Amino acid sequence: QKEVEQNSGPLSVPEGAIASLNCTYSDRGSQSFFWYRQYSGKSPELIMFIYSNGDKEDGRFTAQLNKASQYVSLLIRDSQPSDSATYLCAVGSSGSARQLTFGSGTQLTVLP
Amino acid sequence: KAGVTQTPRYLIKTRGQQVTLSCSPISGHRSVSWYQQTPGQGLQFLFEYFSETQRNKGNFPGRFSGRQFSNSRSEMNVSTLELGDSALYLCASSRWTGDNEQFFGPGTRLTVL
Repeated sequence: QKEVEQNSGPLSVPEGAIASLNCTYSDRGSQSFFWYRQYSGKSPELIMFIYSNGDKEDGRFTAQLNKASQYVSLLIRDSQPSDSATYLCAVGSSGSARQLTFGSGTQLTVLP
Repeated sequence: KAGVTQTPRYLIKTRGQQVTLSCSPISGHRSVSWYQQTPGQGLQFLFEYFSETQRNKGNFPGRFSGRQFSNSRSEMNVSTLELGDSALYLCASSRWTGDNEQFFGPGTRLTVL
């Protein structure tokens, strides 16, 4: 069974710090990787996706992918209290990017 | 541009009943995926529809079914409800099958008593 593992947290960081969220996956053939943010009581919101090894930056967010280690991470720079949410890692199965397998999520709290 | 809409937002049913949930994708989007979210199991993929055809299916029993209409709107049906079916049901739309950018609707909170 394809698995996506995340530390459930909670992860607490002070305002202005860098938050680092990690995710590992079991399917070596996975091709696409996503980070979603989910506020309490709301639906998930796509914030980043990455397909190739290396880093991808978008504003304060950086996604990092290492396929050899089957590892993907999300860095949030200059963390703000509004970043407090659950972050879900999702992996697109080999052969079909549409069938996403989600991790259980990491709860992030940014302390003012 | 309007987002993904789901109806109803909340639903209470009893064991053994059946339920139909509806999802309207973003205008121009033709792919709809359905997910179940529970505290214990997290977000799990149910199925995906594109051009009125089921393209992918997750590991759920046959009590869970769906369909898509020519206007891309989708419905999912759960028959013979069980207590364990209580969950947040989310649909996500994207432009086409294989498009990685999925936009989620607000979800339907189903409670089975």
